[in-house]
Amino acid sequence: EAQVTQNPRYLITVTGKKLTVTCSQNMNHEYMSWYRQDPGLGLRQIYYSMNVEVTDKGDVPEGYKVSRKEKRNFPLILESPSPNQTSLYFCASRDLRRGEKLFFGSGTQLSVL
Amino acid sequence: GNSVTQMEGPVTLSEEAFLTINCTYTATGYPSLFWYVQYPGEGLQLLLKATKADDKGSNKGFEATYRKETTSFHLEKGSVQVSDSAVYFCALSDRSNDYKLSFGAGTTVTVRA
Repeated sequence: EAQVTQNPRYLITVTGKKLTVTCSQNMNHEYMSWYRQDPGLGLRQIYYSMNVEVTDKGDVPEGYKVSRKEKRNFPLILESPSPNQTSLYFCASRDLRRGEKLFFGSGTQLSVL
Repeated sequence: GNSVTQMEGPVTLSEEAFLTINCTYTATGYPSLFWYVQYPGEGLQLLLKATKADDKGSNKGFEATYRKETTSFHLEKGSVQVSDSAVYFCALSDRSNDYKLSFGAGTTVTVRA
């Protein structure tokens, strides 16, 4: 089954404790992206990647890192989480050759205390 | 820059009522327009899209028409069901910006039996 898999689904952590949210897709998509969803703000892009070893900042990259060492994986790293990074995070992927449809993961609800 | 404005919710309807969610956009180029839907506890999934002026996207009884003259892409459904309860996001994609998706804030729709 074609899918984007994120882990964990829920995460509670404390300020300053490094964490990684994993994202993996099995559709051989070149494009992958991370979004955060906050009430009243919709989805805002954090980082995106057009292919392996190519990453670019989105609208709200501060406090986040990403890497794209393999085509299928695109982890989101918070080196020193802060409470304002409490949010619902979504990973998404797209086939650059076959249109603009994004495939989303089920989301990761992060709480930073 | 590109932006999407959609009507604020929440919207509460009875079954079989008519639903309309307004969406207007600002874009520098000729964007593609989308409606994504997020069911409770899930990621976003594409509901419908339109890629050029006067195109009509449709799916699951929902429709939206790309109106360039009014820069709008309003979502409509003639007779909603309880299963249509979800958050609906209007979005645009701009080829000149790596097809980056810009999302509206989302509209929560609740349909009561």
